[in-house]
Amino acid sequence: GENVEQHPSTLSVQEGDSAVIKCTYSDSASNYFPWYKQELGKRPQLIIDIRSNVGEKKDQRIAVTLNKTAKHFSLHITETQPEDSAVYFCAAMGYQKVTFGTGTKLQVIP
Amino acid sequence: GAVVSQHPSRVICKSGTSVKIECRSLDFQATTMFWYRQFPKQSLMLMATSNEGSKATYEQGVEKDKFLINHASLTLSTLTVTSAHPEDSSFYICSARGPLGSYEQYFGPGTRLTVT
Repeated sequence: GENVEQHPSTLSVQEGDSAVIKCTYSDSASNYFPWYKQELGKRPQLIIDIRSNVGEKKDQRIAVTLNKTAKHFSLHITETQPEDSAVYFCAAMGYQKVTFGTGTKLQVIP
Repeated sequence: GAVVSQHPSRVICKSGTSVKIECRSLDFQATTMFWYRQFPKQSLMLMATSNEGSKATYEQGVEKDKFLINHASLTLSTLTVTSAHPEDSSFYICSARGPLGSYEQYFGPGTRLTVT
């Protein structure tokens, strides 16, 4: 089955700096890669996603890159703000398969 | 649009009893719904995939006779935890997939189950 590794598990950055979270996956059949932000006790919120036929996608301060050959994808958050503090999960999906990464706790220090 | 509700938000039950959790897509039809379990400070673990009108597909290690899933309509899926034990205490989250061909999942707010 699919295996998704996510690094780092915790990340502290100063406000205004950039944050990068990386994920690798094993199943070449996975073709959809979303990133979720989850605050304590709340539901995961989709922040950005990318499909396997795209290498990069950007939405304001958030970007995702995908290297399908190497089977890894990354989340980039620029100009971080305290409200970006949360746990972030990557996921690798096929149409009937879903595997989440282990999560990264991001702390943005004011 | 794309709102998913989940009920109840919190439930406390005694060991040996059964608990039913409902997941509803409020403004769209969901042919596929997913059930996840999340322990504190851990990731979401997929328990089963539920397709409307057919039997759910359970992930390896998930007991289908203990976690009964029914996807009776395009807007409702239910998870029943039978003969609950304290180790079943967890945060259960459902999600619903959008229109046919869409990969995006919309998550419910979750249900905190505590078994005493």
